[in-house]
Amino acid sequence: DGGITQSPKYLFRKEGQNVTLSCEQNLNHDAMYWYRQDPGQGLRLIYYSQIVNDFQKGDIAEGYSVSREKKESFPLTVTSAQKNPTAFYLCDRQTRVHKVNTEAFFGQGTRLTVV
Amino acid sequence: DQQVKQNSPSLSVQEGRISILNCDYTNSMFDYFLWYKKYPAEGPTFLISISSIKDKNEDGRFTVFLNKSAKHLSLHIVPSQPGDSAVYFCAARTSGGSNYKLTFGKGTLLTVNP
Repeated sequence: DGGITQSPKYLFRKEGQNVTLSCEQNLNHDAMYWYRQDPGQGLRLIYYSQIVNDFQKGDIAEGYSVSREKKESFPLTVTSAQKNPTAFYLCDRQTRVHKVNTEAFFGQGTRLTVV
Repeated sequence: DQQVKQNSPSLSVQEGRISILNCDYTNSMFDYFLWYKKYPAEGPTFLISISSIKDKNEDGRFTVFLNKSAKHLSLHIVPSQPGDSAVYFCAARTSGGSNYKLTFGKGTLLTVNP
């Protein structure tokens, strides 16, 4: 699994509700990212975090919130302000060793459906 | 402004033949490129990468070619197998600073027919 776990795999939310997606990594890596995938859109960056207690907005952060209280956890909350939350959400972790980039390792994803 | 472009949404090839997936980029600051493979309802898995100091990187059946002057890279799969059928994403990033943000293309759906 590349040391990164997302849960749940499937999630249903009623309109107007907030919902939190979990992303956990066990390899002590600094950088974690959240993307969403829509058909024909590729992966678009929502939020990312490079160190504990710090995170940055990505390209489509509106309607989402995150926290990074622990290095191993980077949960994503999809708020009621997100107008089109139904999508496939992906979390990844990255690191850099001796100034050499490493590839991203993704979790298995969470399919969120608004009902 | 799409900085990484995969202009072919889909590609169909026969088993045993070569699959060539293309990717173009516009940001000249990109210096590290990656290819990911994705099955439905799963996370992308890393396939192969290339640094801008190289023009070719090979790993088994997968070879990535980089043409910096044309800002173009391609992934070759030889021979193609039915299990290769998936969506392939091209991604790019810069090496400077501490932000390892990846910029992805929209993906190309590869179908390998038996």
